[in-house]
Amino acid sequence: KQEVTQIPAALSVPEGENLVLNCSFTDSAIYNLQWFRQDPGKGLTSLLLIQSSQREQTSGRLNASLDKSSGRSTLYIAASQPGDSATYLCAVSLMDSNYQLIWGAGTKLIIKP
Amino acid sequence: NAGVTQTPKFQVLKTGQSMTLQCAQDMNHNSMYWYRQDPGMGLRLIYYSASEGTTDKGEVPNGYNVSRLNKREFSLRLESAAPSQTSVYFCATRRGNRDGYTFGSGTRLTVV
Repeated sequence: KQEVTQIPAALSVPEGENLVLNCSFTDSAIYNLQWFRQDPGKGLTSLLLIQSSQREQTSGRLNASLDKSSGRSTLYIAASQPGDSATYLCAVSLMDSNYQLIWGAGTKLIIKP
Repeated sequence: NAGVTQTPKFQVLKTGQSMTLQCAQDMNHNSMYWYRQDPGMGLRLIYYSASEGTTDKGEVPNGYNVSRLNKREFSLRLESAAPSQTSVYFCATRRGNRDGYTFGSGTRLTVV
């Protein structure tokens, strides 16, 4: 059974720092992995989608990597800003299912001005 | 380009009342999904529709029904609301199994 774990559960850093959020999964049979952010009381915003054949994806200050063989993904945020404060969720799309998306519990990120 | 639109954004129901949550997408995606999000439980799949004309149960379907009215619209109905259905409901879509998900902004439902 696929399990997705996100470490740490919470992270507080000063503005301007570079940081890394971690996501690990137990079964490498995935179509892709997607990173989302969720602001308090809001919906989910897709940040990056990495296909199983890809190693990384970049969007602005965000870079997501995928190492399928070790079951790990990282989300790197460069030069963090207070506006980056949110909960970050990773989710994997399973290969043997046309609907299952397995979610991590999220990392709550606080960027201190 | 609205993406995925959910209505209403907020709703308060009395126990036993019924209501329908609406979801519409203009992305021409085949698959649509209904999730609920509860504190400490994460996101759980209620129902999904892999394509127009088909619907299937997810993890937590009890107390809900769905209708895939056409390719654009996927509605979620609570026939007799219960306090346990107090939650935030999200609709999501994706083109195919290898594609990413796009979420709506959610409906906050309180059942008293």
